Amino acid sequence: DAKTTQPPSMDCAEGRAANLPCNHSTISGNEYVYWYRQIHSQGPQYIIHGLKNNETNEMASLIITEDRKSSTLILPHATLRDTAVYYCIVRVRAGANSKLTFGKGITLSVRP
Amino acid sequence: ETGVTQSPTHLIKTRGQQVTLRCSSQSGHNTVSWYQQALGQGPQFIFQYYREEENGRGNFPPRFSGLQFPNYSSELNVNALELDDSALYLCASSSGQAEQYFGPGTRLTVT
Repeated sequence: DAKTTQPPSMDCAEGRAANLPCNHSTISGNEYVYWYRQIHSQGPQYIIHGLKNNETNEMASLIITEDRKSSTLILPHATLRDTAVYYCIVRVRAGANSKLTFGKGITLSVRP
Repeated sequence: ETGVTQSPTHLIKTRGQQVTLRCSSQSGHNTVSWYQQALGQGPQFIFQYYREEENGRGNFPPRFSGLQFPNYSSELNVNALELDDSALYLCASSSGQAEQYFGPGTRLTVT
């Protein structure tokens, strides 16, 4: 079972920031927060991950609360091509339990 | 740098048959994971191979088996196909337990 909770869907206007929330209240100290997205009928695409500090890369920013029980993925200037299902996943990075456990994700619709 | 590739793109099989799906990992990656994605669901972990050995398995029956070759490419074999095996099969490669990068998937239809 997925260890994260995400709303089923959200939308935002093109050019605006998209803030995608994720709850992971039972996260363990050695588990990272990962975000992937899946555009229709394609393989999931890695976006970003973090342990406790906020992270930023060319695609997005990841904000993790101090207690690590929730996080937010920020797409700073959403485009129509960002319309996809976004998965928030918690995962250890060692051993046989390091698989990715996907939930249902959140469907982001970017409107013109 | 070549990404993860999978073959074939699509295939159709009959119930009871066997199928082999193939995956070439990204350059420099030594770990391959396989996932099954049914329509409308998130991907479900099947198993992972690290340096040619199985390194973790999800809740799938033994008729799902795999191989990893010395060049780190991999195969997923499914015997005695059932209708419920119809799905998108995804392969992901990584360097150890670092970020996994997915291929485009193989769409399997069992009739």
